[in-house]
Amino acid sequence: DIQMTQSPSSLSASVGDRITITCRTSQTISTYLNWYQQQPGKAPNLLIYAATTLHSGVPSRFSGSGSGTDFTLTISSLQPEDFASYYCQQSYTTPFTFGQGTRLEIK
Amino acid sequence: EVQLVESGGGLVQPGGSLRLSCAASGFTYSNYEMNWVRQAPGKGLEWVSYISVSGTTTYYTDSVKGRFTISRDNAKNSLYLQMNSLRAEDTAVYYCARELVGATSPFDYWGQGTLVTVSS
Repeated sequence: DIQMTQSPSSLSASVGDRITITCRTSQTISTYLNWYQQQPGKAPNLLIYAATTLHSGVPSRFSGSGSGTDFTLTISSLQPEDFASYYCQQSYTTPFTFGQGTRLEIK
Repeated sequence: EVQLVESGGGLVQPGGSLRLSCAASGFTYSNYEMNWVRQAPGKGLEWVSYISVSGTTTYYTDSVKGRFTISRDNAKNSLYLQMNSLRAEDTAVYYCARELVGATSPFDYWGQGTLVTVSS
């Protein structure tokens, strides 16, 4: 199975900050990397797929980069609605493993 | 509007069975691969199972192999997860999720989830 190492596990930041979350995979996955946002008590929402492609309707302050084994999710200027949990996921091969998540909190 | 609505969750004793359903609407269901993903209370997301558009190809995470069966009925726009020999560690919210066509298999729509609690 492909192991996902996501960091940090939690992050405190302020509105307007720029933040980066990283995801590392245990083997190369090209760009088969997706990012999701999950608000408490809600289903996850797709933010970015294929490492860099912004899903329809997702604000442009979200961006993704990387290929191979190292990936990043960047939020350029945090808005109040961005404080949530974030997960990376590899869709290169089953099992489609997720990272352990990053909880983004208001400082 | 794309909608996925799960049902069938509840409280079940260890060793028991449960069948989850996911009703799809707002899109041509038969064109989409589907998945089940679960989330234990306070924990992260865990992929559970995948099914192809025809239903002939299925995959499972190791911990549910031989106990869970994914299936679909394209005529009824429905996805199912038959869960047998349930264990306490299967306690979770179960989501059905649609795969985006023509991309790197991300899950672009999710249901609201149904809670399965395995406890005596």
